[in-house]
Amino acid sequence: GAGVSQSPSNKVTEKGKDVELRCDPISGHTALYWYRQRLGQGLEFLIYFQGNSAPDKSGLPSDRFSAERTGGSVSTLTIQRTQQEDSAVYLCASSPTSGAQETQYFGPGTRLLVL
Amino acid sequence: AQSVAQPEDQVNVAEGNPLTVKCTYSVSGNPYLFWYVQYPNRGLQFLLKYITGDNLVKGSYGFEAEFNKSQTSFHLKKPSALVSDSALYFCAVRDRGSGNTGKLIFGQGTTLQVKP
Repeated sequence: GAGVSQSPSNKVTEKGKDVELRCDPISGHTALYWYRQRLGQGLEFLIYFQGNSAPDKSGLPSDRFSAERTGGSVSTLTIQRTQQEDSAVYLCASSPTSGAQETQYFGPGTRLLVL
Repeated sequence: AQSVAQPEDQVNVAEGNPLTVKCTYSVSGNPYLFWYVQYPNRGLQFLLKYITGDNLVKGSYGFEAEFNKSQTSFHLKKPSALVSDSALYFCAVRDRGSGNTGKLIFGQGTTLQVKP
């Protein structure tokens, strides 16, 4: 079956511009996660959605970052007034439920470069 | 606070030799432990996980990992390395009590280089 998909695969933008990154989770998965991977580093948790519950936004680095999930499926991560330190790969993952034992399945990521 | 340590930035091994990629963790409760692999310009692929039961977990591509509670370790192993195993490997942990937060805590990653 289809895995997690993300678009665009690459995004180059100028400092100060807004960007939107999209994630399509695996069909039927109720939990969706966003992570950030800076060059040469591990993954940092950004935000987590589970069904209709309020999202866990504890990992968002600043108020320039926001995310939404419409209809319990597709999610969009928005970065306003981008800065050079926002350059990273943004990875989306989904899992069947939010159970702690569940495997998270990752998309290919969006590589963001802020000039 | 939860944390994961992968003490080696890079592991070099000759093809056909056994490999070990080390991981230690710190959680307040009992852990769920995961290994993922990342090939260049690709997302993370799930390899294996420890939930409960047998401490030796077998996963994809011939990899296995052993959960050691006393040493708080979850080292990834393979009896005979292949050149195609060369990639970036991540260990991750989730506290069993963290079902409401969902996040995985990742190590910094270990680059595995298998030479012919």
